[in-house]
Amino acid sequence: EVQLVESGGGLVKPGGSLRLSCIASGFTFTTYAMNWVRQAPGKGLEWVSSIGNSRNSIFYADSVKGRFTISRDNAKNSLSLQMNSLRAEDTAVYYCVRERDEIFDIWGPGTMVTVSS
Amino acid sequence: QSVLTQPPSASGTPGQRVSISCSGSSSNIGSNRVSWYQQLPGTAPKLLIYRNDQRPSGVPDRFSGSKSGTSASLAISGLRSEDEADYYCAAWDDRLRGRLFGGGTKLTVL
Repeated sequence: EVQLVESGGGLVKPGGSLRLSCIASGFTFTTYAMNWVRQAPGKGLEWVSSIGNSRNSIFYADSVKGRFTISRDNAKNSLSLQMNSLRAEDTAVYYCVRERDEIFDIWGPGTMVTVSS
Repeated sequence: QSVLTQPPSASGTPGQRVSISCSGSSSNIGSNRVSWYQQLPGTAPKLLIYRNDQRPSGVPDRFSGSKSGTSASLAISGLRSEDEADYYCAAWDDRLRGRLFGGGTKLTVL
């Protein structure tokens, strides 16, 4: 079964850091680009970052550029998002998403990040 | 405010046909393909339409997509109660060098 499972969410103070992870299974991880998409409580979807299948291309939304770093370990079928200098507006459910030819075809269940003092 | 503009809400009665619009610009919808996602309450989004008008396997043919110029549209025919969900359009933006989502449309089946 094709599956993505996120972990690492939690409560963090403003200015703090958190590292999210996503483990992929059921498909050839190295074939796909991967993304992080977030959704603030009661709000819509916001794309956060993407990484090519061989780490050859990385993009960030302006709202997280310079604070978040996306990475992947193809040997471990894992995707990560290092989040620094967190702000209240970063509070959201973070989804790990597989991308196939610009199509977000598989989504994980999400992990909640709360930034609050 | 999203760069891709969707109506915040839409509604219809069972059996009706409803349409949800997504308006963008030349740097996103005008030059890239559009996809649509359905998010049922309390769940992760699910791919509904890709490459403007293609349906993944398992998506009923009641759902259809189209694109013209800098706008796209999702149509749902034979509306059913289980279609009640939030719907999002998405496209790559060449100028912003990033993926955009529309603000989402909450569909209510009356």
